[in-house]
Amino acid sequence: DIVLTQTPLSLSVTPGQPASISCKSSQSLLQTDGKTYLYWYLQKPGQSPQLLIYEVSNRFSGVPDRFSGSGSGTDFTLKISRVEAEDVGVYYCMQSKQLFTFGPGTKVDIK
Amino acid sequence: VQLVQSGAEVQKPGASVKVSCKASGYTFTDYYIHWVRQAPGQSLEWMGWINPSSGGTTYAQKFQGRVTLTSDTSINTVDMELRRLRIDDTAVYYCARVRHFGSGIVDYWGQGTLVTVSS
Repeated sequence: DIVLTQTPLSLSVTPGQPASISCKSSQSLLQTDGKTYLYWYLQKPGQSPQLLIYEVSNRFSGVPDRFSGSGSGTDFTLKISRVEAEDVGVYYCMQSKQLFTFGPGTKVDIK
Repeated sequence: VQLVQSGAEVQKPGASVKVSCKASGYTFTDYYIHWVRQAPGQSLEWMGWINPSSGGTTYAQKFQGRVTLTSDTSINTVDMELRRLRIDDTAVYYCARVRHFGSGIVDYWGQGTLVTVSS
């Protein structure tokens, strides 16, 4: 099974400052079709998760451009260029190369 | 597009629970339905998926033999049944829509159903 680890597990950010979350996979997420099946989801308090980034670096519809994703193989990063109050919640990386697996989550709050 | 789940459940250990997910606003058979659960204060845990068109399913190894996903195309509903419930099955259960096989793009989620297992 593919295991995803995230660092840090919690993050307190001043509004307007950047934030970065790392996700590492136990196996390469590069599929034979050339795509890398790594995603980022945000679960705001009391809500269902919502998709931010798909296939490493593609912003989903309606996602602000302050969110960006990068990485390859087994190492990935989600960056928020300027954190806003509405960005609080738990961020999960997820892989779909072999079924679905989620990371442990990174809780982001505002200082 | 909406995925509307059935209401909260309280069950005893050893019992079974069935959670429904009713889809509307799109062609039901064009999307896979996945189930993901979240125990209190924990991460998300994928349970399985169903292709509503064919009825084909795939389950996480952890749940093999205890979970069954079924679809009814006449009422655009997917059911998730979990049997032999344990205390640690207490969680919010979500259904989620995915367009393509193997994709992790979940564009719509249900509102979640809290299942509490308690003696």
